[in-house]
Formats: sequence, C-alpha cells, structure tokens
Amino acid sequence: ETGVTQSPTHLIKTRGQQVTLRCSSQSGHNTVSWYQQALGQGPQFIFQYYREEENGRGNFPPRFSGLQFPNYSSELNVNALELDDSALYLCASSLGQASPLHFGNGTRLTVT
Amino acid sequence: ILNVEQSPQSLHVQEGDSTNFTCSFPSSNFYALHWYRWETAKSPEALFVMTLNGDEKKKGRISATLNTKEGYSYLYIKGSQPEDSATYLCASQGSGGGADGLTFGKGTHLIIQP
Repeated sequence: ETGVTQSPTHLIKTRGQQVTLRCSSQSGHNTVSWYQQALGQGPQFIFQYYREEENGRGNFPPRFSGLQFPNYSSELNVNALELDDSALYLCASSLGQASPLHFGNGTRLTVT
Repeated sequence: ILNVEQSPQSLHVQEGDSTNFTCSFPSSNFYALHWYRWETAKSPEALFVMTLNGDEKKKGRISATLNTKEGYSYLYIKGSQPEDSATYLCASQGSGGGADGLTFGKGTHLIIQP
C-alpha cells in the first residue's frame, strides 16, 4: 500500500509570488485535506476535497485554492504569497468521516 | 470554531515510568476525537479515533479515554521507552463531519530520558 507523498519537501518563494504544492493520496482514499502548521501552533484546517469537489473549508482567504484529480491526488495553490504564509503544509488522505488521517511528510514553505 | 487545549506543553519522563497528558475540547457539536503521534522528521501517525462517551482504546502500551460530556480525553503511556519520544497531537472533529476538518491542539512534546 502506497502512503501519502508530498512534493516538494522544501520551497522558498518571494512575497507576491504564487506556489503549487502537490499530494498523492494513500491508495483507496477518496478524501484529501490540507493543513497549515505555523511555528509553535497546531495544524490548521485549510480545506477538504471529496471526489474532486471542495466540501469543507477552514478560515483561509480565497487566495488559497485547491484541486483534486480523478486519481484522488491533490494540489494546493496559494496566490499573492505573504510572509505569514511561511509554514509547514500537510496533506492528509482518509476514507471519510471519523476515519483517521494519513499524513504526508509535509512541504516546508518559506516566503521572503 | 472549536478550541482544543493540550497540557502540559512539554514533558520529560524517565524511561520505564508511566505518564499521561490531557486534551480538552468544547463538548458541544462534538463528533470525534483523534490522537496522533508525530516523531521528528516523520509524518503524524494516527493512534486513535474515538466517538462515544466513555470510549477507551488501547494500542500496545498506549491507551486513551474519552469524556464527551465534560470535553476531555487522556492519553496514557505505560512503561515509557525512548521510542515514545514525540509530539502527541489531539484533534476534535465537529458534528459537521469531515467537511469541518479537524481542530488540533498545539501538542504535548514528550521526551523520554534514558
């Protein structure tokens, strides 16, 4: 069984730029969610996709957007990067409601 | 919005000792409580998902309890080993189900001293 993989592992961007982070779900998992972990904080829910549709969203502005593909892999796009976007971005896949999340190793984004 | 609090923030425990820590969460609109272990340079690993008041779950030397009426969960580690050193995260899931996402605490950072 293939686990959750994320790419890239590290990324440095300049304020105002755009970034795309990628995630491959664990085999058989149809739900993917994204979390942002800033320094000293717990992971914060960005949004969740189920069968290619966004079906839940946390308190993040519209410049955070995503996609889920037919093979259940996913992208997180962030436009107009701000310094506060510097964080670890975690992708997690699951089988749905009340199922444990299976996390990737994360992408460390630094915005300068 | 649910607020999840974990205590203590960090904990040093001697190898072989048992320990426990707490997760508190708002009891209204509760659906499920998750525990994860996060070792350095690895991804968070699911330990337990609990939904019912009074639930107790066990995985080897680690166990957890859930009180949904008062809004708390305890995680217990019996006979701590160096490999137990990690950050333990709890997360509450609201009654909107998965679409609400999980609300995580900041974690308890556990260090087992040989």
